[in-house]
Formats: sequence, C-alpha cells, structure tokens
Amino acid sequence: EVQLVESGGGLVQPGGSLRLSCAASGFTFSSYEMNWVRQAPGKGLEWVSYISSSGSTIYYADSVKGRFTISRDNAKNSLYLQMNSLRAEDTAVYYCARGRSRDGYNYSDYWGQGTLVTVSS
Amino acid sequence: DIQMTQSPSSLSASVGDRVTITCRASQSISSYLNWYQQKPGKAPKLLIYAASSLQSGVPSRFSGSGSGTDFTLTISSLQPEDFATYYCQQSYSTHRFTFGPGTKVDIK
Repeated sequence: EVQLVESGGGLVQPGGSLRLSCAASGFTFSSYEMNWVRQAPGKGLEWVSYISSSGSTIYYADSVKGRFTISRDNAKNSLYLQMNSLRAEDTAVYYCARGRSRDGYNYSDYWGQGTLVTVSS
Repeated sequence: DIQMTQSPSSLSASVGDRVTITCRASQSISSYLNWYQQKPGKAPKLLIYAASSLQSGVPSRFSGSGSGTDFTLTISSLQPEDFATYYCQQSYSTHRFTFGPGTKVDIK
C-alpha cells in the first residue's frame, strides 16, 4: 500500500525556518517524481515545488523561490522541504504528493495527509 | 503563467442530480488537465487525468471532457459521498502545475 506521511509542521515566528519531511513507503520511491502542494486555511490548492526522481531537476512556485528548498534522499525514501524566511502567508497545510507520468501527461496520484505550518508571532 | 478559472465557485445539488463543473485555462493546454476531489480535512484525491482518463478505482459516474482551453467534469448521478470541493489542475507548463480555485458541491 502506498503511504506518504508528512511531519515537521508547527508554529514558527515570521522570518523563521522549518523543515518538512515526507516518509514514503509501499512503492519504489527512487522511481517517482514528487511534489509539495499547500493549502492555506479555507483556501484552494497551491503547487509549491517539484523534484525529479533523481533530484536533478527542481522547480518552485514564484511565491517561494529563493526561500524554500526541495530535496530528497532516495536511500531513506524521504522527501524534504526546507522553508526559510517564513511569512504569515506561508501558513498552510503542506502536502507531499507522488507524481506520475503516462503518455506525457503528468498528475499526482497519491497524497499524504498533510502537515500544518503556522507562521505567527 | 497559465491561469485556471472554474465555474461555478459553488453549487447546491440533490442526490441523483447530474452535475457539471467547468474549468477554463488562460491559454491552450491541449488535454493536460487533471481533476481532483477534496473532502473537508482530507487530502485531495485524483479523479481524472489527461482531461478524460478515469483514474483507477474512481466510479464511472465521474467523467471529464474538453481540450484546448475549456474543460468539464461531469458527475452523472450525484451520490452522498460526492459532496466535496473539486479542483482542476493544468499539467501543460513543465512541472509548474497550477490549480483552479475550486468548486464546492453541497447538498440542496
């Protein structure tokens, strides 16, 4: 059974840092692309970052570029999101999601349960 | 950047109703369009990818259509478990997959 379990969320002051983790199991983690997607309270979904299966290709949303860093450790079946210079508008539930590609079409077929990040003084 | 819009933003429907949700892209995205369902406090669930391909395990009452800039998600006969928020997502931009604002379907 595919499982994605996020951790590392919590309360942090503006300007602070936090590192999120996503532990993957039930599939060959090193073969899959991964994404981080967030959802502010009562709001819609916002794609945050993408990393290829090898970690060699990375993309960020403009809203987090230069402040967030995505990474992965395929030996540990884990995905990470290092978040620096946090702002109130980064407050959200952060989901990790497995990426799939079929005939050139990309989508996220499994999602974790999410971890809440609250940025407040 | 490609912008996604959805209409309506919310709708009220009864069990058994046929429900249609529309998604529009700011430029042509061919068939690079996914649909997700999200229930309160839960993670999103993939329903449709490539505009019209049903994800494994998703009931056949869900269907997707469209290409270019205009897409629809149709629920042929609304069931109690279908009350949720539905999001479209474009996958045309290389790994910068933006979502629509969502359509909330609730009970009439």
